[in-house]
Amino acid sequence: AQSVSQHNHHVILSEAASLELGCNYSYGGTVNLFWYVQYPGQHLQLLLKYFSGDPLVKGIKGFEAEFIKSKFSFNLRKPSVQWSDTAEYFCAGNQAGTALIFGKGTTLSVSS
Amino acid sequence: DAGVTQSPTHLIKTRGQQVTLRCSPKSGHDTVSWYQQALGQGPQFIFQYYEEEERQRGNFPDRFSGHQFPNYSSELNVNALLLGDSALYLCASAGEGGVRTEAFFGQGTRLTVV
Repeated sequence: AQSVSQHNHHVILSEAASLELGCNYSYGGTVNLFWYVQYPGQHLQLLLKYFSGDPLVKGIKGFEAEFIKSKFSFNLRKPSVQWSDTAEYFCAGNQAGTALIFGKGTTLSVSS
Repeated sequence: DAGVTQSPTHLIKTRGQQVTLRCSPKSGHDTVSWYQQALGQGPQFIFQYYEEEERQRGNFPDRFSGHQFPNYSSELNVNALLLGDSALYLCASAGEGGVRTEAFFGQGTRLTVV
């Protein structure tokens, strides 16, 4: 069955630390991959997306993710986090025209 | 440009009652999906509508039903509410049949069943 899994449930970092959140997917064939962020009290917002092409994808607010097909991974990275990055992060995937399947999410807490 | 709008924002219902949640997609979007998000969990897919038909369904009982109107807006109906139905219900819309576009999410409806 298709699935998306996130390795880290809760990550705690200090400001300026580097971030990497793991995401693995289980899909046969072509897959679209996404990272969404949910700030406290706000709706889900798209951070970045991968459909095809360059496996290194850059998104908003300095985030990037790398699609590694051989590892079925799509990890999210940011070189230097800020307090305002405190939020819930969700990895999601789908195939053409089908609904998104989400991971369980990672809570990121950044201390100033 | 209005994004995805959902109504109501909060709702309290009694066990056994029925509820209807509403969603207006982002302008130009034709595909609407509904998700249930329990506290501390990722959104779980309920169903997706395209061209007024249910195109895909997740692992939810028949108590959950929906509809899409000609203007692409959508409703989610839940019958015989259970305490376990308490959650944030999210609506997402996408354009071009959702084939190669990202989904945009609304703020959600917080349903509490007592």
